[in-house]
Amino acid sequence: LAKTTQPISMDSYEGQEVNITCSHNNIATNDYITWYQQFPSQGPRFIIQGYKTKVTNEVASLFIPADRKSSTLSLPRVSLSDTAVYYCLVGDMKGDSNYQLIWGAGTKLIIKP
Amino acid sequence: GAVVSQHPSRVICKSGTSVKIECRSLDFQATTMFWYRQFPKKSLMLMATSNEGSKATYEQGVEKDKFLINHASLTLSTLTVTSAHPEDSSFYICSTLTEYYGYTFGSGTRLTVV
Repeated sequence: LAKTTQPISMDSYEGQEVNITCSHNNIATNDYITWYQQFPSQGPRFIIQGYKTKVTNEVASLFIPADRKSSTLSLPRVSLSDTAVYYCLVGDMKGDSNYQLIWGAGTKLIIKP
Repeated sequence: GAVVSQHPSRVICKSGTSVKIECRSLDFQATTMFWYRQFPKKSLMLMATSNEGSKATYEQGVEKDKFLINHASLTLSTLTVTSAHPEDSSFYICSTLTEYYGYTFGSGTRLTVV
């Protein structure tokens, strides 16, 4: 099961772009990379998922280099409401095999006015 | 998208009593559900994996007689904290796993044992 490493915390300001990098050196061939957002006293919320290269949706972009040993979540023009903990997970997210998720400590992102 | 309803969102109970937490998949079926526990400012820790119609698989160190899991239907799994004590106070989160939707998380239950 792939383990991930993220910065414990990050600060930024409203309107800035925030990039959070995650290391997953032993990612397996079938593993996807998924990022979740969690607000206090709420369950995690899906942000974005990718396998390789770049993925973009309405809230974020995910950059994955060719070796897939790391990934970067990019949040464009953050606002105060983006203050949360962000988790990077790797695994076979479709549940075909090895479907246990291992949660790292996450990155506490604090957005300042 | 998939929605998982978790109830109650918060509960306060007296020491020694039992509390049941429900996790429902809305508009989809989930053969597999997971139960997590999260302490303040800590990450989620998997407690058990629940498969419909069979016994749950508990992680090492989790007492199966204390945390009873029932997954009697494809849309409902319950976690019962029996004989609760203050150290059981925590945030409990369920999630479903389907091939189509992947992982979907409930909104969590804040349990406080007094």
